[in-house]
This record gives sequence, C-alpha cells and structure tokens, in this order.
Amino acid sequence: ETGVTQSPTHLIKTRGQQVTLRCSSQSGHNTVSWYQQALGQGPQFIFQYYREEENGRGNFPPRFSGLQFPNYSSELNVNALELDDSALYLCASSLGVGLNTGELFFGEGSRLTVL
Amino acid sequence: DQQVKQNSPSLSVQEGRISILNCDYTNSMFDYFLWYKKYPAEGPTFLISISSIKDKNEDGRFTVFLNKSAKHLSLHIVPSQPGDSAVYFCAASPHSGNTPLVFGKGTRLSVIA
Repeated sequence: ETGVTQSPTHLIKTRGQQVTLRCSSQSGHNTVSWYQQALGQGPQFIFQYYREEENGRGNFPPRFSGLQFPNYSSELNVNALELDDSALYLCASSLGVGLNTGELFFGEGSRLTVL
Repeated sequence: DQQVKQNSPSLSVQEGRISILNCDYTNSMFDYFLWYKKYPAEGPTFLISISSIKDKNEDGRFTVFLNKSAKHLSLHIVPSQPGDSAVYFCAASPHSGNTPLVFGKGTRLSVIA
C-alpha cells in the first residue's frame, strides 16, 4: 500500500506568478483534502475533492483552485501569487465521504516560497 | 477566531518522564478529537483519537483525556522517549455534518535524553 506523495517538495516563485502542486493519494482513497500551513500555524483547510468534484471549501479566495483525477492524483493551483501564500501545502487523503472523514493520511508537503 | 487552541508552543521533558500536551476548544459542536504528530520534513501522522462519548482513550504509551464541560483535552505520553520529539497538533470536528477538521497551532515537544 503506497502512501501519499507530493511534488515538488520545495519551490520558489515570485509575486504574481502561478503555481501547480501535485499529490498522489493513497490507493483506494477517493477523497483528497488540501491544507495550508503557514509558519507557526496549524494546517488550515483549503478544499476537498471527492470523485473529481469539489466537496467543500475553506476561507480561501477563488485564485486557489484544484483538480482531482480518476487515478488518485490531484492538483492545487494558485494564481496571482502573493507573499502571504508562502507556506507548506499539505495534501491528505482519506477513505470517508464528507469533510469530517476522521483520520487523514498526509503527504510530506510542498513548501512554497513567494518572493 | 481560533476554535482549537494549543497555548503552549513548546514543551521540554526528561526522557522517561510524563509529557502532557494540552488543547482547548471553543466550539460546542465539536465531538470528535484527534492528535497528529509531525516530524520535520514529513507530513502529520495520526496518533490517537477520542469521541465525546468517552472521556479517555489509551493506545500504548499514549492516552488522551477529554473533559467536555471544560472543553479541554490532553495527551499524555508515558514514558516519554527521545523519538517522541516532534510537533503535536490537536484537531477537532463535529462527527456529523460536513465540516472539516480544525487544527490547533501545535506544540513542539522535546524529550531530552
């Protein structure tokens, strides 16, 4: 059973650019959630996808968007990057349906720095 | 508005002693609580959970206590080991409904040999 993997692990962008972060969920997990963890903060919920449909969204602007694919992979896209977008972005997969699926299986994260 | 609060950013404990990590919550709808552990350069991993129908859940060296009236939970690690040094996140959600997990800011535990 493979775990959750994310790429890239680190990247640097400049303000105004766009970024795509990728995640491969644990096999058999139809639900993927994305979290943003700023320095010194806990993970904050961005959105969740279930079977390729957005299933819920946190308090993030529309320039944060996502996609989920049938092969258990997913993407987080952020447009018009701002300095405050600098954070660790965590992907988490789970078995359950709905936002309160209980145990989440996290990837190692993608650390984004916006200059 | 922080719904899950971990007021101690860090904690240092001697190897073999008890580590107690605390978590407070404000949302009375929360009835399912989890602790996650995070090592540097790794994602958080699930450690232990508790439902509001219980006031204690134990798994080996880890025990979580829940005090619903005080809206407080704590994680006890006995005995503490150097490998327990990590950041511990408390998370909560309502068990029913469609609300994602809400995380605290975390407590960095250092277990000194």
